[in-house]
Amino acid sequence: DAGVTQSPTHLIKTRGQQVTLRCSPKSGHDTVSWYQQALGQGPQFIFQYYEEEERQRGNFPDRFSGHQFPNYSSELNVNALLLGDSALYLCASSPWIGSSVTSAGELFFGEGSRLTVL
Amino acid sequence: RKEVEQDPGPFNVPEGATVAFNCTYSNSASQSFFWYRQDCRKEPKLLMSVYSSGNEDGRFTAQLNRASQYISLLIRDSKLSDSATYLCVAGGSGGYQKVTFGIGTKLQVIP
Repeated sequence: DAGVTQSPTHLIKTRGQQVTLRCSPKSGHDTVSWYQQALGQGPQFIFQYYEEEERQRGNFPDRFSGHQFPNYSSELNVNALLLGDSALYLCASSPWIGSSVTSAGELFFGEGSRLTVL
Repeated sequence: RKEVEQDPGPFNVPEGATVAFNCTYSNSASQSFFWYRQDCRKEPKLLMSVYSSGNEDGRFTAQLNRASQYISLLIRDSKLSDSATYLCVAGGSGGYQKVTFGIGTKLQVIP
């Protein structure tokens, strides 16, 4: 049973460039969330996708956008990269829980994509 | 004030010791609480859920105190393999699935 897979694992970009990160959720999961983890910090919620729609968004600028495909896989796009965007980008999958929020937070994470912006 | 606050540590404890971590959350409407473990340069992994009634899994015990808005994790008989960062999570307020992670508490178990 494949877990959450992310690609690429590492990448280096320069300021102003654009990046696309990819995620395939765990088998049986239909909801994908993206997190940014800067060095020494906890993961920060970027947004969540379900049924190919963005369902919730954290406090991130519009430079951060995403997409979910019919097979539940997802992409995170970041435009006009800044030095401060350097971080580990984590994809987490879960089953859609609807209003059963007492289980919100039972997430399976991929190994992440480590982005360095020079 | 941060939504979820943790002492980043590090906590350096000898093997066999008992160690406790606390975490506070600011949103009284939070409905879901968890502890995650994150090894160095790895992804977070769910350790356990946290309930008001307490939750025990082997050497690990988690507790939620809603009145004081804090979450605790107790590790008994610490092992070298327990060395990691422990992330506190709270969320699910307003019927939303968004959860907030704390900064994490680093634990180093020493021989």
